[in-house]
Amino acid sequence: DSGVTQTPKHLITATGQRVTLRCSPRSGDLSVYWYQQSLDQGLQFLIQYYNGEERAKGNILERFSAQQFPDLHSELNLSSLELGDSALYFCASSDASGQNSYGYTFGSGTRLTVV
Amino acid sequence: QQQVKQSPQSLIVQKGGISIINCAYENTAFDYFPWYQQFPGKGPALLIAIRPDVSEKKEGRFTISFNKSAKQFSLHIMDSQPGDSATYFCAATGGYQKVTFGIGTKLQVIP
Repeated sequence: DSGVTQTPKHLITATGQRVTLRCSPRSGDLSVYWYQQSLDQGLQFLIQYYNGEERAKGNILERFSAQQFPDLHSELNLSSLELGDSALYFCASSDASGQNSYGYTFGSGTRLTVV
Repeated sequence: QQQVKQSPQSLIVQKGGISIINCAYENTAFDYFPWYQQFPGKGPALLIAIRPDVSEKKEGRFTISFNKSAKQFSLHIMDSQPGDSATYFCAATGGYQKVTFGIGTKLQVIP
């Protein structure tokens, strides 16, 4: 157990729907990062939150949004889902405020399948 | 723009052999180079990391070699075991640069 908890582990939904992925960071970590992993794209950075504030954005689609709550858990919202959104979504946490964390702790991921 | 180029994308090694994965970077602001190991169904986990002030770091059977002038670094897995079969990601970060991951190498160690 890495200390980063992601739920649900698997999600199957239809095109056009909206889903919410949840992440609880490791105790003491203030930063949460979301990544998308697909077979041919490796790990693509989506967005980072630090202590409730958006800190950095990567290749995140406008249909996707995220937030970090006062208890530091984070949610990634994916809407108007398309078949191409099927992927593994990972959350990572660190104690750093910036992007240049010297060690991420990843959760086990949520596998999203859009049918 | 892929700032960290990783090769090969897949690798098959006999048990007991040496697995070598190579990465190259472009941004000279990077000052920390971690490797992550990912088993199927799990998230990536930090395996070993190096800073550019040393040319080599060894932890057990895992060694990172770093060539600052060539902007290249590599992971060597000595005496590879079937339990090492996983996907390995190199990464780079530093300064105000975001952590950038390589595309990953799927390693299969066959008995």
